[in-house]
Amino acid sequence: GAGVSQSPSNKVTEKGKDVELRCDPISGHTALYWYRQRLGQGLEFLIYFQGNSAPDKSGLPSDRFSAERTGESVSTLTIQRTQQEDSAVYLCASRTGQAETQYFGPGTRLLVL
Amino acid sequence: DQQVKQNSPSLSVQEGRISILNCDYTNSMFDYFLWYKKYPAEGPTFLISISSIKDKNEDGRFTVFLNKSAKHLSLHIVPSQPGDSAVYFCASSFRDDKIIFGKGTRLHILP
Repeated sequence: GAGVSQSPSNKVTEKGKDVELRCDPISGHTALYWYRQRLGQGLEFLIYFQGNSAPDKSGLPSDRFSAERTGESVSTLTIQRTQQEDSAVYLCASRTGQAETQYFGPGTRLLVL
Repeated sequence: DQQVKQNSPSLSVQEGRISILNCDYTNSMFDYFLWYKKYPAEGPTFLISISSIKDKNEDGRFTVFLNKSAKHLSLHIVPSQPGDSAVYFCASSFRDDKIIFGKGTRLHILP
């Protein structure tokens, strides 16, 4: 399909290890977002890429979190030295520059043991 | 500081009746409002939106009402159906800025 895809769908890691999560947005979508949803919580904004502008990193919870985006294509979210509180579903969404509707991927379920 | 608040974590409604989900926001600069629906193990899907220049938008069984003076919006679902059982997220944005989500309300449609 032509929707937003994310990989891996599930990731189990040990505390202290680094993880990398990938998001492939819908082709042509200039804006890309990462959110986190912990168990029983709402969607927590992490980072936002819009075209060639500097990303809005205001939601990243600590310097262990970083994200990159190559042009208007794939994005990777990296969590270094994972902690148990990083366990969550990490959701990626994209949208066009003019429209306001976001399209979400299925998420990556991260479990840090 | 929560800019978008959904104060009811859950709501139960009889099938066939009206479901009303509420949302409050604090930032008067927000000019676009959205509702998303989320099933377990899936990403949220867009449901309906409203611009700040309107006070009502309707799409089939779903209607969103916006009260700018009260900084309040609501989603009405009528009649409620079993497939409407899901978590509903309210979201707000200003122009091309990031979209801020509420914590969600879990809707249970009772048979």
